[in-house]
Amino acid sequence: KAGVTQTPRYLIKTRGQQVTLSCSPISGHRSVSWYQQTPGQGLQFLFEYFSETQRNKGNFPGRFSGRQFSNSRSEMNVSTLELGDSALYLCASSLAGASSYEQYFGPGTRLTVT
Amino acid sequence: GQNIDQPTEMTATEGAIVQINCTYQTSGFNGLFWYQQHAGEAPTFLSYNVLDGLEEKGRFSSFLSRSKGYSYLLLKELQMKDSASYLCAVRDRSDYKLSFGAGTTVTVRA
Repeated sequence: KAGVTQTPRYLIKTRGQQVTLSCSPISGHRSVSWYQQTPGQGLQFLFEYFSETQRNKGNFPGRFSGRQFSNSRSEMNVSTLELGDSALYLCASSLAGASSYEQYFGPGTRLTVT
Repeated sequence: GQNIDQPTEMTATEGAIVQINCTYQTSGFNGLFWYQQHAGEAPTFLSYNVLDGLEEKGRFSSFLSRSKGYSYLLLKELQMKDSASYLCAVRDRSDYKLSFGAGTTVTVRA
């Protein structure tokens, strides 16, 4: 069974640009959660999608948005990039939603904003 | 919300035992998770506790005391490959969000 995949793995963008990251969950998993990981703040929850609906949202500005498609694949978009957005962005999938026993993480997208 | 504390770093010798403590304050508890994350890799699930007591899984054990807001992860018979960051995460009862601690970097020395 293939694991969670994320594309691209590495990305370099300039301040003010926008970026879209993609996450394909494990086959059969309907929930996708996104996290931002930085050395200073650790892992922070961005949002969770389940059956194409955003079910939970963390404390991030509106520049961070996402969506989920009917095949459960999810995208995350960050507009008007800031230097502080440089981070590892991880997505995690679970079978039936955030109440599931565990989440499976993808390898992450390393975003560098210059 | 959640407030989760764990030590920043720990060092131990190969073959030894290390205990990583995690304390938390939460408005609603629905389970505590431990994840292992090697440098440059994704976190991988280690254990889950929702009731008080000890859960043992091979060389790794996790303990929970809900009344004390306390958990620990015990790593026995340490191996070099156990050098990693260990993340404590608490799930909220109302919205099932996972909140993570900053992680404990464990270095295993020969």
